[in-house]
Amino acid sequence: DAGVIQSPRHEVTEMGQEVTLRCKPISGHNSLFWYRQTMMRGLELLIYFNNNVPIDDSGMPEDRFSAKMPNASFSTLKIQPSEPRDSAVYFCASSGIPGGPAGELFFGEGSRLTVL
Amino acid sequence: AQSVTQLDSQVPVFEEAPVELRCNYSSSVSVYLFWYVQYPNQGLQLLLKYLSGSTLVKGINGFEAEFNKSQTSFHLRKPSVHISDTAEYFCAVIPSPPSGGSYIPTFGRGTSLIVHP
Repeated sequence: DAGVIQSPRHEVTEMGQEVTLRCKPISGHNSLFWYRQTMMRGLELLIYFNNNVPIDDSGMPEDRFSAKMPNASFSTLKIQPSEPRDSAVYFCASSGIPGGPAGELFFGEGSRLTVL
Repeated sequence: AQSVTQLDSQVPVFEEAPVELRCNYSSSVSVYLFWYVQYPNQGLQLLLKYLSGSTLVKGINGFEAEFNKSQTSFHLRKPSVHISDTAEYFCAVIPSPPSGGSYIPTFGRGTSLIVHP
């Protein structure tokens, strides 16, 4: 299996621009998570999808952030407009094969975002 | 709700020395416990997990952890570390059984293991 695939791996943009991060979860997994990692705040859960439905988005910082999961094999995290404080590494993770290993998350390599 | 405390933000150690990374958790229900490792510029990957059964769990790369229910701890140990073990280590819990079918994990802040030659 190819694992969780994220793109782009690196993104440098200017303040005010729109940023779209993409994620392809492992086939068959029914849960998808978006995390943000910074030195100051550590690993933060932004949003959690189960069977393509957003279940918990309480970690989404503000209205500038939005996430979608139009089907079981694709999710996006969008920031519009971006700000320098959004600079971080964004991880996508998937899990949850019914009847399979309980709770183990499989992480992508991350998307490193720098907002100038 | 659950919480995870990793008591040490950084643990420096010399190569071939033993190491213990501490993890304590708080939960009103039973939990599953996990340790993940993050190498530089990579995502997290599972090191080991405790679901049930024997409280001593062995993982990859010679790591092991012991679940202590009375002390609500799940400390990670390795008898002899290598330079390549330098990484960030995260402890995590999820409620068991999952609440409403949800497997949302709670992560600790991480411990940076630095192995010196």
